[in-house]
Amino acid sequence: GAVVSQHPSRVICKSGTSVKIECRSLDFQATTMFWYRQFPKQSLMLMATSNEGSKATYEQGVEKDKFLINHASLTLSTLTVTSAHPEDSSFYICSAMQGLAYNEQFFGPGTRLTVL
Amino acid sequence: KNQVEQSPQSLIILEGKNCTLQCNYTVSPFSNLRWYKQDTGRGPVSLTIMTFSENTKSNGRYTATLDADTKQSSLHITASQLSDSASYICVVRFRDNYGQNFVFGPGTRLSVLP
Repeated sequence: GAVVSQHPSRVICKSGTSVKIECRSLDFQATTMFWYRQFPKQSLMLMATSNEGSKATYEQGVEKDKFLINHASLTLSTLTVTSAHPEDSSFYICSAMQGLAYNEQFFGPGTRLTVL
Repeated sequence: KNQVEQSPQSLIILEGKNCTLQCNYTVSPFSNLRWYKQDTGRGPVSLTIMTFSENTKSNGRYTATLDADTKQSSLHITASQLSDSASYICVVRFRDNYGQNFVFGPGTRLSVLP
């Protein structure tokens, strides 16, 4: 089956620093990737949709200058949390699709970000 | 407004018992509905996908139903196991002029006790 990986699985950083999270589709080409954040005991909240080679589409209320998304290749998308603050601490999950015509998005295992 | 509601919010059952989780949606136009299992600290994993014409679909001990007229779906878990403890998320896909989008339910947190 389709596998999506994320790196790192956990990261702890100091307030004010930037953190980059990678999302890779290991055995398929992902034209579309999604980034979600999830707070404890809550469901996933879509942050942005990225299509390979184009700018990401951000959901309302998500600061695009704070959460930089790059989808430079068909197997890699990155999310950079810039000038992280404690309130950015969350569980970040990516998913990938072969294309919007396909029915399934495959989720990565998630990245736990803790900002001190 | 496109919304997905799930009930109950949380559920505790004993190992070996059956349970049914509910999903109601107001998403339109409907494309498909998928149930995911999310273990704590992990990404969601797909259990079943239901399209408009499908009423029932099984995947091992998981059986999903869909009533497109009433816009309701259920996930029935048979002979629960400790490993079934997780959050179960109902996700409905719809089409609009910009493509296809997903609406996530809040999830049901299931705890299976020995």
